[in-house]
Amino acid sequence: NAGVTQTPKFRILKIGQSMTLQCTQDMNHNYMYWYRQDPGMGLKLIYYSVGAGITDKGEVPNGYNVSRSTTEDFPLRLELAAPSQTSVYFCASSRGGDTGELFFGEGSRLTVL
Amino acid sequence: GENVEQHPSTLSVQEGDSAVIKCTYSDSASNYFPWYKQELGKRPQLIIDIRSNVGEKKDQRIAVTLNKTAKHFSLHITETQPEDSAVYFCAASLGTASKLTFGTGTRLQVTL
Repeated sequence: NAGVTQTPKFRILKIGQSMTLQCTQDMNHNYMYWYRQDPGMGLKLIYYSVGAGITDKGEVPNGYNVSRSTTEDFPLRLELAAPSQTSVYFCASSRGGDTGELFFGEGSRLTVL
Repeated sequence: GENVEQHPSTLSVQEGDSAVIKCTYSDSASNYFPWYKQELGKRPQLIIDIRSNVGEKKDQRIAVTLNKTAKHFSLHITETQPEDSAVYFCAASLGTASKLTFGTGTRLQVTL
């Protein structure tokens, strides 16, 4: 199993550009999440999904969009990139229910200049 | 919503000493408290977790304690080793969506 795979690992964007961070998992997990990690700030939940076709906002959703058309894939879309979106983004998945363990991808470092 | 505070932000211990990291949470309904370890440049990984019906849980050199009344929980690492050097995050959640609220992290440095 590859687990959770994110692409790209690094990206530099100009202000106002758009991009999509890809995330796929092969563990047949129902739950998927996007977090951003800023220095000294821990992990903040952007969006999450409890199954295909279902998404919901987390703590910091502004400036982002997601979709969940399949169980495996959960892409994160950044529209009109801003310097405040410079961060490391982690996709994660979990089986859900009583098992809360998150399985993280390797992270995507995004810089907006 | 839930708020999780974590202390200290940095911790330096000598190899073989114990390390303790403390977290408090705000929502008394939270019922799941995991700890994640993140080595430099790596992804966070679960090292231990505890549920609200348990007061303490151990796994070799690591242990977690939970005080529901005071709404705080702690990570204890004994006989620390250089490979324990990392950032540790506590988290809390409630409900079936497994939405975790993370603390701000503790950078642990184990010196020789």
